[in-house]
Amino acid sequence: AQSVTQPDIHITVSEGASLELRCNYSYGATPYLFWYVQSPGQGLQLLLKYFSGDTLVQGIKGFEAEFKRSQSSFNLRKPSVHWSDAAEYFCAVGANTGTASKLTFGTGTRLQVTL
Amino acid sequence: EAQVTQNPRYLITVTGKKLTVTCSQNMNHEYMSWYRQDPGLGLRQIYYSMNVEVTDKGDVPEGYKVSRKEKRNFPLILESPSPNQTSLYFCASSPRTFGEQFFGPGTRLTVL
Repeated sequence: AQSVTQPDIHITVSEGASLELRCNYSYGATPYLFWYVQSPGQGLQLLLKYFSGDTLVQGIKGFEAEFKRSQSSFNLRKPSVHWSDAAEYFCAVGANTGTASKLTFGTGTRLQVTL
Repeated sequence: EAQVTQNPRYLITVTGKKLTVTCSQNMNHEYMSWYRQDPGLGLRQIYYSMNVEVTDKGDVPEGYKVSRKEKRNFPLILESPSPNQTSLYFCASSPRTFGEQFFGPGTRLTVL
């Protein structure tokens, strides 16, 4: 069974600083990987996804993520954080067994941005 | 506007009183899913449906039922709610199994 680990429960960065949120996954085959963002009181919005091909994926709002198979990681990055980026971020891995569909989420990282 | 809608958005009920949370999408998506979100646990999949009349269990299906009689609707049924089902519930849909999932606004359920 697949699993996702987000080791950082809470991160605080200053506005304008760079950001990296960690995500490690466990899955036997090639994974489908996602990052979602949840603003307070809101649903989830997709930031970016990796299915195959280029391991550096660009997303919305200036975010990017890099798939590293050797490290089983899919870390999310942003070069300069804005105050509006304060939210909770979820990494997820999708499993394709041919007969079943499953999306497993990590426990989330809450980002606080200080001015 | 393309969207996933859930009703009700907030619900307070008592143990054992059957309830249904509706989910509807207007994007003609084949795939729909229900999740619950609990602090420190992230989102956990309850049930999913790959098409009409095709449903399957996710990670935490106990105490829940679903049906998919029409493509656009995927209701979540709690036949005998218990306090441990107090949670924030999200419905999601996707045009295909591993495409982007579009989430509804959430339903906050409290079972007393």
